[in-house]
Amino acid sequence: DQQVKQNSPSLSVQEGRISILNCDYTNSMFDYFLWYKKYPAEGPTFLISISSIKDKNEDGRFTVFLNKSAKHLSLHIVPSQPGDSAVYFCAAGISGTYKYIFGTGTRLKVLA
Amino acid sequence: EAQVTQNPRYLITVTGKKLTVTCSQNMNHEYMSWYRQDPGLGLRQIYYSMNVEVTDKGDVPEGYKVSRKEKRNFPLILESPSPNQTSLYFCASRAGGYNSPLHFGNGTRLTVT
Repeated sequence: DQQVKQNSPSLSVQEGRISILNCDYTNSMFDYFLWYKKYPAEGPTFLISISSIKDKNEDGRFTVFLNKSAKHLSLHIVPSQPGDSAVYFCAAGISGTYKYIFGTGTRLKVLA
Repeated sequence: EAQVTQNPRYLITVTGKKLTVTCSQNMNHEYMSWYRQDPGLGLRQIYYSMNVEVTDKGDVPEGYKVSRKEKRNFPLILESPSPNQTSLYFCASRAGGYNSPLHFGNGTRLTVT
């Protein structure tokens, strides 16, 4: 049972345009969400997070939106740059526990 | 430089030959964890440790062992590797809070023939 789903395995976007990566979850107990970026031959690196008490968190070109009623979060990258080409994982966690559940990842390609 | 270091980066072995993948962090983090990444399955947690001598199973612990004798080290042990353990493995650590982000190592690609 995949509790965190990223239904788009890949996404291509033109440089300068917006990239929108989506993530759905099934467990309503999740109250903390993170996005990680992974380049080939490297480990995932933390990008941005959001707590369930918020519906938006912004950090430079990256914004994460959380829709609790729909159990859906999205990562917006504006403007997209070729260096953003990577695999993006969303992850969800529960307060007081010690693990995150990761999605299957979306490979973003930003075309120059 | 703050980092999580895994060794080796690549490992090819045969079924049944015991192996250990080492993981070390220099950030004094209490929490450490092992994940495996497989196509179409994302990152799945194998084991985690909240502190020295405190470990617990993740989602896919079968066939793996861990130990946490020192705060900085968290080795992953495969007593009798099998081909279905061929995967990309990541070690990660974080400071105490559940909402602290994980810091990952660069991965170990294991092939079991």
